[in-house]
Amino acid sequence: ELKVEQNPLFLSMQEGKNYTIYCNYSTTSDRLYWYRQDPGKSLESLFVLLSNGAVKQEGRLMASLDTKARLSTLHITAAVHDLSATYFCAVDEVIGNEKLTFGTGTRLTIIP
Amino acid sequence: GAGVSQTPSNKVTEKGKYVELRCDPISGHTALYWYRQSLGQGPEFLIYFQGTGAADDSGLPNDRFFAVRPEGSVSTLKIQRTERGDSAVYLCASSLTAGSYNEQFFGPGTRLTVL
Repeated sequence: ELKVEQNPLFLSMQEGKNYTIYCNYSTTSDRLYWYRQDPGKSLESLFVLLSNGAVKQEGRLMASLDTKARLSTLHITAAVHDLSATYFCAVDEVIGNEKLTFGTGTRLTIIP
Repeated sequence: GAGVSQTPSNKVTEKGKYVELRCDPISGHTALYWYRQSLGQGPEFLIYFQGTGAADDSGLPNDRFFAVRPEGSVSTLKIQRTERGDSAVYLCASSLTAGSYNEQFFGPGTRLTVL
């Protein structure tokens, strides 16, 4: 059974600081997704990582994938309050069967 | 263009009742997924359609849950004899196709409360 773990589960950080969220998964996969969820809202797609060594950046967020270590990171640079949300990683295990297995989420709070 | 839409946005029902939740995927998306999200958790997979057929229903918790997609577009998730433990947000997602990769776009969800 595929397991996806994120840490930390909760993260409170000051504006302007840098931090990294980690996503570990338990089986071979080279397809990993990051989503953002605001309270009471649905999931917004942030990044799609499709190969070992993939790196994608959008604004203050950068995601990377190491398939050999079964690890993805979401790095936040110079955090701003607007980034406060819950961030989920999800893994797509088998080509042709597209269900996503999600991590438990990281609730990020940026303090002014 | 229009995203994934779900109706109703909220549904309150009594234990033992039957409910239907509707999902309208993005136009042209052939793959449709249902997930369930409990408070403080990540979404959990329920069922996936490719076209009209259920390609994988391994996430449905028991036979009280059933989903259809008769014309390959709109889908309905049906829950019989609801239980308090069914209370959650039910999310629908769609993707262009099943294939080399799968960026799923999520709807706003239906919050189901079983009293």
